[in-house]
Amino acid sequence: EIVLTQSPGTLSLSPGERATLSCRASQSVSSSYLAWYQQKPGQAPRLLIYGASSRATGIPDRFSGSGSGTDFTLTISRLEPEDFAVYYCQQYGSSPVFTFGPGTKVDIK
Amino acid sequence: EVQLVESGGGLVQPGGSLRLSCAASGFTVSSNYMSWVRQAPGKGLEWVSVIYSGGSTYYADSVKGRFTISRHNSKNTLYLQMNSLRAEDTAVYYCARWGRIAAAGSWGFDYWGQGTLVTVSS
Repeated sequence: EIVLTQSPGTLSLSPGERATLSCRASQSVSSSYLAWYQQKPGQAPRLLIYGASSRATGIPDRFSGSGSGTDFTLTISRLEPEDFAVYYCQQYGSSPVFTFGPGTKVDIK
Repeated sequence: EVQLVESGGGLVQPGGSLRLSCAASGFTVSSNYMSWVRQAPGKGLEWVSVIYSGGSTYYADSVKGRFTISRHNSKNTLYLQMNSLRAEDTAVYYCARWGRIAAAGSWGFDYWGQGTLVTVSS
């Protein structure tokens, strides 16, 4: 069973700062099946990054994804007010078929 | 325009049953991988079930044997039949499409519904 661990649990930053979020898998994950989502209170999650490093349609270029194997990173180069939210990584492949990480909350310092 | 609209949530007693629906527009449910994902109050996302375009179904261990995912092709609708409900099944339930986004074969949950709240309580 693949387990995804995200760190930190909470990231307190100011607008304009850089955010670096980590997602670590207990076993190697195919990059094709590693995605990141943003969720704001009361809203459904939104796909940000797919295939570990490709931005979804309409996602600003301040969001970037990288990594392979067991270590993946979501970077927000300069935080905008609308970026304060919870971010989840997710993988597909091994049992269980889909797994989400526990999330990283990015809040305003 | 792609849209997913869930319905069927509500208050149910422990041990009871509920059927969730997810009506899709803008694409064909039966040609895609469709999933249910839930989120307990104040908690993270938990994958529940998937139905592949070929009809194969898979479940999280936490719901296996109690929940059944299905689809109605002519109605373009996804369902989740939930039996033997427990307090820990209380959550917002989202339907989502697991889509191939790039020709290179990268995938993601690219479309989500707004969610429907299921509360299991006496």
